[in-house]
Amino acid sequence: QLQLQESGSGLVKPSQTLSLTCTVSGGSISSGGYSWSWIRHPPGKGLEWIGYIYRNGDTYYSPSLKSRVTLSIDRSREQFSLKLSSVNAADTAVYYCTRLRSSSGYYFDYWGQGTLVTVAT
Amino acid sequence: QSALTQPASVSGSPGQSITISCTGTSSDVGTYNLVSWYQHHPGKAPKLMIYEVSKWPSGVSNRFSGSKSGNTASLTISGLQAEDEADYYCCSFAGSSNWVFGGGTKLTVL
Repeated sequence: QLQLQESGSGLVKPSQTLSLTCTVSGGSISSGGYSWSWIRHPPGKGLEWIGYIYRNGDTYYSPSLKSRVTLSIDRSREQFSLKLSSVNAADTAVYYCTRLRSSSGYYFDYWGQGTLVTVAT
Repeated sequence: QSALTQPASVSGSPGQSITISCTGTSSDVGTYNLVSWYQHHPGKAPKLMIYEVSKWPSGVSNRFSGSKSGNTASLTISGLQAEDEADYYCCSFAGSSNWVFGGGTKLTVL
């Protein structure tokens, strides 16, 4: 059973950079037919897609966050990461890492438990 | 792209059926048969319930069904059970490698 686990700082100061890592187990991050995505859930709001990255490093970002987001992948460590720069209070959210299936279907099939990131001084 | 529109809450009694709507635009729900639905119990990982409008992932009960008409997708849960009480989110591909989610619907089983 594939498992994803988020890790990183739970408290980030305004204007600084949020950094999270997702570790994949029970499967390979290098498997074809999938990409690796980040989704967030701000308190009291709906889910928001952030972006995704393929095993070859190709990335796709939400237009609303594109200027501040960087995704990266480390296949040797079975990890992929999110960096969000110049954060503010509106970036406070539970951040999920997910797998986006893109063969025989196109959907987010596995999710991590999520990690709360609070932007505050 | 704007978020998909869902009702904030729905409720039903055990054994009844409920339907949750998800309204988008001709740029997302109306064009792509790539609508999926996720069940979220607070504190847990969201779970895929329906993909590509009406398909079931392995292990998901067929009490959950999906459909689409025009720019609106729907999730129907029949034979409501207490464990169905959760938040439900719809999601659609929106073209140009973009994805958009709904605001979420809180289902209460009375």
